[in-house]
Amino acid sequence: DTEVTQTPKHLVMGMTNKKSLKCEQHMGHRAMYWYKQKAKKPPELMFVYSYEKLSINESVPSRFSPECPNSSLLNLHLHALQPEDSALYLCASSHDPFGPPFYEQFFGPGTRLTVL
Amino acid sequence: GQQLNQSPQSMFIQEGEDVSMNCTSSSIFNTWLWYKQDPGEGPVLLIALYKAGELTSNGRLTAQFGITRKDSFLNISASIPSDVGIYFCLSGGSNYKLTFGKGTLLTVNP
Repeated sequence: DTEVTQTPKHLVMGMTNKKSLKCEQHMGHRAMYWYKQKAKKPPELMFVYSYEKLSINESVPSRFSPECPNSSLLNLHLHALQPEDSALYLCASSHDPFGPPFYEQFFGPGTRLTVL
Repeated sequence: GQQLNQSPQSMFIQEGEDVSMNCTSSSIFNTWLWYKQDPGEGPVLLIALYKAGELTSNGRLTAQFGITRKDSFLNISASIPSDVGIYFCLSGGSNYKLTFGKGTLLTVNP
């Protein structure tokens, strides 16, 4: 299985809602990532989990809360989001968080989030 | 922070034509990666380069890691309609973070 799956594919939420994005991989990868991508822009790194521990937080607002329940799962909990948070949220995983082939990240299809 | 200059920003070509795009940086990198992203999908890894001067092919795609370690190019030969998408270069250094280029939007006219 060489796939990263993400659910839901689309999500519409109000600014007072609480929702979660889910990501799963069964490739035995030990690093998992959350990215945010605006239209016609490259993905922007949000969080990195290494061996199920948060290792990088790119100064992301606290209304985004990541969680890594086990080595295969990654969640992103959303609360009190703003309309400008609307974007494609991508999950990725890589074999090793330290050095090559760390750089070879496998991306999921993304969750298209719209905040009203 | 580190920045990559990816060019061209967009390309409009006829089916069957060859395509070339490149990325340059003022910084030295250990790795260059090329990804393709289809609309509404996540990026897909095309080619990974780990050694300066390395030239690697994947079907109709060829990429090279520049000898100065500050640049890379991607060539696509005999383009077909399914080559349409955004191509990103990515580079990795010693701080375990990837830097994305701004992307090249490729349109192929049948």
